[in-house]
Amino acid sequence: KQEVTQIPAALSVPEGENLVLNCSFTDSAIYNLQWFRQDPGKGLTSLLLIQSSQREQTSGRLNASLDKSSGRSTLYIAASQPGDSATYLCASPSGRTAGNKLTFGGGTRVLVKP
Amino acid sequence: DTGVSQDPRHKITKRGQNVTFRCDPISEHNRLYWYRQTLGQGPEFLTYFQNEAQLEKSRLLSDRFSAERPKGSFSTLEIQRTEQGDSAMYLCASSWTTQETQYFGPGTRLLVL
Repeated sequence: KQEVTQIPAALSVPEGENLVLNCSFTDSAIYNLQWFRQDPGKGLTSLLLIQSSQREQTSGRLNASLDKSSGRSTLYIAASQPGDSATYLCASPSGRTAGNKLTFGGGTRVLVKP
Repeated sequence: DTGVSQDPRHKITKRGQNVTFRCDPISEHNRLYWYRQTLGQGPEFLTYFQNEAQLEKSRLLSDRFSAERPKGSFSTLEIQRTEQGDSAMYLCASSWTTQETQYFGPGTRLLVL
């Protein structure tokens, strides 16, 4: 059974600083790993998806890495802005094929101070 | 709007009442998922459908919960005899069977008094 953990639960940084968010998972035979953003009281917005065959994925200021051997993924957000304040969640499918239910970490709540 | 929609967005009810939520997935997505999220936690899987077939249910889905997806389009999640512990955000997501990304709706926030 896949278990996903995110530490720390909360993080506060000054504007302009780079953000580093951590995600750990127990089953290294993952199909992929996804990062989501959630604003207070809202649904989830998909940010990046890394396939098991990839080591990293980039989109604008966001970069996500995947290390299956150590069971870790890291989301980097460069030059943080107050608009980046949100909760960031990582998730992995429970099965070995696409379209499976997701197992989520508890999230990291990020505050970027102006 | 071509995204996933959910209705209502907020629901306040008294303990013991029945509530029903609706989810409209992205058109032609054949998989539909329900998750529940409590404050400060990540979402937890409840159930999912492929077309109209309910393929898996979590142990979190007690016999007071029932979900349907008639004709493989929209889905409803009903909670009977609500309890205060049912207070949570109920999230719906949809995807193609072979598509990795699940697209989430805005959620329905339930408060049971």
